[in-house]
Amino acid sequence: SQQGEEDPQALSIQEGENATMNCSYKTSINNLQWYRQNSGRGLVHLILIRSNEREKHSGRLRVTLDTSKKSSSLLITASRAADTASYFCATDEGGTYKYIFGTGTRLKVLA
Amino acid sequence: DADVTQTPRNRITKTGKRIMLECSQTKGHDRMYWYRQDPGLGLRLIYYSFDVKDINKGEISDGYSVSRQAQAKFSLSLESAIPNQTALYFCATSDLWDTQYFGPGTRLTVL
Repeated sequence: SQQGEEDPQALSIQEGENATMNCSYKTSINNLQWYRQNSGRGLVHLILIRSNEREKHSGRLRVTLDTSKKSSSLLITASRAADTASYFCATDEGGTYKYIFGTGTRLKVLA
Repeated sequence: DADVTQTPRNRITKTGKRIMLECSQTKGHDRMYWYRQDPGLGLRLIYYSFDVKDINKGEISDGYSVSRQAQAKFSLSLESAIPNQTALYFCATSDLWDTQYFGPGTRLTVL
């Protein structure tokens, strides 16, 4: 079964708008990570947030983590056409370094 | 040169054939992973290895085997390929800070 579930499954926005996607998971974790995948290519690491952190920023990315609700959100501000990709969350199931990925959010940014 | 390489990049084979997918890394990481990706299902963990002598099954190991020949090499074998093993396969490594680095993927088609 999938550890992480992203929501929404697909998102279409205009360039310059913000994009928010959410991830829910089931077990305790050491950290939660977000990855981007351009069509058919390998995943690229975006940001990691540890279980004792609540918010983290990296450039136009903002990640929040709520361990009580077992959920995380990824915000991409001022989106660009180049942000068009699929975004996945990944968690280390039970803190084991055995990473489980969600089903992904497909983001399309319209120029 | 890429830090994580996979060979072959594409492979078409027939049901019942034995197939080996190879992964090499130059990042010096001990942890290595094999995932498969199917449309709409995200990535699922097949096997993972924390060092040369430590190999573990993931979510979907049935029908697959692995070999960790050296710190830098982690091979995935399909002993007798079947059509539902048609998928995109990714190898990844992980550093001490848990970030995963992915290879470009192998697209496998089993007829």
